[in-house]
Amino acid sequence: QQPVQSPQAVILREGEDAVINCSSSKALYSVHWYRQKHGEAPVFLMILLKGGEQKGHEKISASFNEKKQQSSLYLTASQLSYSGTYFCGTPTPYTGNQFYFGTGTSLTVIP
Amino acid sequence: GAVVSQHPSWVICKSGTSVKIECRSLDFQATTMFWYRQFPKQSLMLMATSNEGSKATYEQGVEKDKFLINHASLTLSTLTVTSAHPEDSSFYICSARDLGQGLYNEQFFGPGTRLTVL
Repeated sequence: QQPVQSPQAVILREGEDAVINCSSSKALYSVHWYRQKHGEAPVFLMILLKGGEQKGHEKISASFNEKKQQSSLYLTASQLSYSGTYFCGTPTPYTGNQFYFGTGTSLTVIP
Repeated sequence: GAVVSQHPSWVICKSGTSVKIECRSLDFQATTMFWYRQFPKQSLMLMATSNEGSKATYEQGVEKDKFLINHASLTLSTLTVTSAHPEDSSFYICSARDLGQGLYNEQFFGPGTRLTVL
């Protein structure tokens, strides 16, 4: 049930771009993206809904391919504050009674 | 934005004792709350889904009798770790979904509880 993310880890220099991918073996109705700093709770970044609707922060972009059951998060002109672990997540269809986080991607931005 | 509190933020207990963790939605009503456990350098793993007024739905492999969940009101869910052992040491996080939002909308997370069992 757990979505698989790639890459597992990435190191960037400030100003560089990165793409984080999330792939599910189950049908996706929505994909959520969160960032977590060490020892803290996840922070909401974005939700992508079936049909193309997106909700989230202006500086972050993402895509959602329903047919391929994949989503990608695009981080451009990275800043030091972008460092953390990024998780995608998805609720179960129809009921949303479960929510499964992806395997996670560790992102480190260095000066 | 909506706020979820979690208490305590950290707890250290002896093996064999029980620990209760509270999760509260402060400014919205939450029909559904989720409980997660996270081990170091791993993802958040769903333990159970808590719905107000009904029994919690546990994920496969999670012991119902060990992790007791009660969702007595639209703003409070509790997780009790009974007879805790060192392997239960972990970071426990709750999240809540706003009653007024759709099923596929944002969850709001508590700050987490660090449990250490000696």
